Amino acid sequence: DADVTQTPRNRITKTGKRIMLECSQTKGHDRMYWYRQDPGLGLRLIYYSFDVKDINKGEISDGYSVSRQAQAKFSLSLESAIPNQTALYFCATSGRRGAYEQYFGPGTRLTVT
Amino acid sequence: KNEVEQSPQNLTAQEGEFITINCSYSVGISALHWLQQHPGGGIVSLFMLSSGKKKHGRLIATINIQEKHSSLHITASHPRDSAVYICAVTLISSGSARQLTFGSGTQLTVLP
Repeated sequence: DADVTQTPRNRITKTGKRIMLECSQTKGHDRMYWYRQDPGLGLRLIYYSFDVKDINKGEISDGYSVSRQAQAKFSLSLESAIPNQTALYFCATSGRRGAYEQYFGPGTRLTVT
Repeated sequence: KNEVEQSPQNLTAQEGEFITINCSYSVGISALHWLQQHPGGGIVSLFMLSSGKKKHGRLIATINIQEKHSSLHITASHPRDSAVYICAVTLISSGSARQLTFGSGTQLTVLP
């Protein structure tokens, strides 16, 4: 089984709808991240979390919110989806002990029509 | 100006060729990462470097801290190497958050 999983893998939704993307990890890592990938722009950080009580905004947090329900679960919500939020979304994790390596989920392809 | 610049953006090679992808960065880093993204979209970490050189199979990654430059080399390229290769850095300024800052990627196509 994959260490970092994301659901759903693909989603098409309409403008104005609320949508939640979920991420779970079995690596026991404390740090979790949500990134967004747009063609030609590379990946950009939306939110990150050190633990359940510590959540921080990233570079492009407007229009998004997150919830860290447990150490292993980190959800990203779009309260009112808009077409320019169409993108590929990745969850990633990183451990505590001096390790900089990040482990990525398989991605969620979101289309807002 | 982006903090991480990659070149080339697109690269087409014939099977067997030696390939080099370059990455330059403009700020202090704790680590540099080379990532691979296949057409299905998943991202895999290939290397993480803070100095010197690392080798894994046909892949070699080098970093020159003084020049703020890293290269990813693929020897004896194969069509299965076709993917997007992404350079990313952990900025010193990110502190304990350690989030990654990404280049825009290099699309590599290896023709049989």
